Amino acid sequence: KAGVTQTPRYLIKTRGQQVTLSCSPISGHRSVSWYQQTPGQGLQFLFEYFSETQRNKGNFPGRFSGRQFSNSRSEMNVSTLELGDSALYLCASREGGYGYTFGSGTRLTVV
Amino acid sequence: SQQGEEDPQALSIQEGENATMNCSYKTSINNLQWYRQNSGRGLVHLILIRSNEREKHSGRLRVTLDTSKKSSSLLITASRAADTASYFCATDYEGGSEKLVFGKGTKLTVNP
Repeated sequence: KAGVTQTPRYLIKTRGQQVTLSCSPISGHRSVSWYQQTPGQGLQFLFEYFSETQRNKGNFPGRFSGRQFSNSRSEMNVSTLELGDSALYLCASREGGYGYTFGSGTRLTVV
Repeated sequence: SQQGEEDPQALSIQEGENATMNCSYKTSINNLQWYRQNSGRGLVHLILIRSNEREKHSGRLRVTLDTSKKSSSLLITASRAADTASYFCATDYEGGSEKLVFGKGTKLTVNP
C-alpha cells in the first residue's frame, strides 16, 4: 500500500509569491489534514478535509487555503508569502479512528 | 498554544538502556497518540491509546495514560541507536474534531 505522497519535497520562493503544495493520501483514506512545523511554533494544525469538505481550520490567516478533490487528493495554497511561512508542511491521512499516516513533507523556504 | 507538553525536552542515553518520555495535556481527549520524527522528516505513528485505556504495548514500546492527571508516558525498552529521533505526543480532542494538537517533543539520542 503506497504511503502519503507530498510534492514537491523542497521549494524556494520569494516573498510575495504564492505556492501550491500537493498531497496524495493513502488509497481509501478520505480524511486529509495539513500541519505546519517550525522550530519556534512546533507542529500546528492548518486544516482538515473530508470528502471534499473542510471540516476544521486552524488559527492561520486567510492567506492559507486548501482544497480536496473527489479522489481525496488535497492541495494547500499560500498566497503573498512571508519569510515566516518558511516551514516544513506535513500532510496526513487517515480512515476511521486510527492513527494518522504522514507524508515526508514539503520544505518551503521563503527568501 | 500547545495542548501537550513533553518532558524532558532532550534525553541522552546509552544503547540498551530504557528511555521514558512524559506528556501532559490540558483538556478531555478521545485518544492520545505518539509519533516519531527523524531529522525533520515526516512523522511516523507509533501508538494510539484511547481515553478508556490505561496501558498499551507495541513491541519495545509501552504507553500509559492517566486521564485523571491528564498525562501519558512512553517507555522505549532496550533502546537502539536507530531509536534516535524526536518523539511527540498528540491529543485528539473529545468531540471528534479530527485535529491533532502536538507537544513540542522530546529529542532522544541513543549513543552506541
